[in-house]
Amino acid sequence: DAMVIQNPRYQVTQFGKPVTLSCSQTLNHNVMYWYQQKSSQAPKLLFHYYDKDFNNEADTPDNFQSRRPNTSFCFLDIRSPGLGDAAMYLCATSRDQLAGRDTQYFGPGTRLTVL
Amino acid sequence: SQELEQSPQSLIVQEGKNLTINCTSSKTLYGLYWYKQKYGEGLIFLMMLQKGGEEKSHEKITAKLDEKKQQSSLHITASQPSHAGIYLCGADTDKLIFGTGTRLQVFP
Repeated sequence: DAMVIQNPRYQVTQFGKPVTLSCSQTLNHNVMYWYQQKSSQAPKLLFHYYDKDFNNEADTPDNFQSRRPNTSFCFLDIRSPGLGDAAMYLCATSRDQLAGRDTQYFGPGTRLTVL
Repeated sequence: SQELEQSPQSLIVQEGKNLTINCTSSKTLYGLYWYKQKYGEGLIFLMMLQKGGEEKSHEKITAKLDEKKQQSSLHITASQPSHAGIYLCGADTDKLIFGTGTRLQVFP
């Protein structure tokens, strides 16, 4: 019954070593989002895909990239993780993006640790 | 830009007690979402409110949006330990923005 799946649930990487986080969805939604959530803070949107169109938030560092090879999958790539990138990364999907007026469904998250 | 303030920041209640969490927006809300997050997990969608005066219920949780559409409340009746977690309100703008969060603990 899982609808938005994230792998792995826990990821440990070394400072500067590239890492990729994965998200898949069985909802056939058009929009997929990546959020970063640091301890005791609300989730912060990094970017999203509307179908194949990539939309980056203005304050998302260049160190963060994303790929969406097909409707079901979306990846978050961190090219050179720093200690400040340690966080929970949440993937979400929505059917559409009617000026944001569509419910987003979240995955369980991937907790990233940077050593 | 729109901001959401939640109160209280933290709540500790005894099992069986009722409680209310508030979410106040700096601008008129066109859509208000309530999510619940358990520690170390993703966000679980609870309810969405769009119309002024709208009220929705799911099991023992009721959410309301005021007529002016600038404030929403989440009410839990007869709280249980399973209700424990962080409750986040979210506003529908050109992207989803979240409130400051309310941490709920329920003790037996």
